[in-house]
Amino acid sequence: EDQVTQSPEALRLQEGESSSLNCSYTVSGLRGLFWYRQDPGKGPEFLFTLYSAGEEKEKERLKATLTKKESFLHITAPKPEDSATYLCAVRSNSGYSTLTFGKGTMLLVSP
Amino acid sequence: GAGVSQSPSNKVTEKGKDVELRCDPISGHTALYWYRQSLGQGLEFLIYFQGNSAPDKSGLPSDRFSAERTGGSVSTLTIQRTQQEDSAVYLCASSPQGWRANTEAFFGQGTRLTVV
Repeated sequence: EDQVTQSPEALRLQEGESSSLNCSYTVSGLRGLFWYRQDPGKGPEFLFTLYSAGEEKEKERLKATLTKKESFLHITAPKPEDSATYLCAVRSNSGYSTLTFGKGTMLLVSP
Repeated sequence: GAGVSQSPSNKVTEKGKDVELRCDPISGHTALYWYRQSLGQGLEFLIYFQGNSAPDKSGLPSDRFSAERTGGSVSTLTIQRTQQEDSAVYLCASSPQGWRANTEAFFGQGTRLTVV
């Protein structure tokens, strides 16, 4: 059974204070790892897909990286508008038609 | 439309009643997913449709839950004889291709179901 664990559960940062969110996974053959952002009362918004260890993707202040066991979402000089819950999901060779999600990290960036 | 559309946005129902939740996927997307998100929990997979193939129903929690997709587009999730534990946000997502293409899924805003 695919498992995804995200840490920390919640993170509070000051504006400009860089940090990283972690997504650890256990799957039988990773086919893809997906990062989403979810604002309160809204559906998840797609950010990145990573397919193989060593891959990196960037978008504005966000950078996602992938190893064989985990992924990191690095947030550089965050702004209050980056406050949201960040979700990690995996697709594997066993649960091929589904995305298995972690419980998310709730990020709050204070001005 | 520009994105995945779900209706209603909110639904309050009495215990024991049946409810129908609707999802309009992004035009041209062949794959459609239903997920459930409960307070403090991660997204729980319910069902997956891909084109004309038989749906993957492995995530449906009980036989009170069913879903259909008509004409490869609009989908309806039906919950019969609702229970209080069915209260959650039901999210629909669509993807331009099936799982073999390994593409991302785009989510709607969800339907918040409250069973009283």
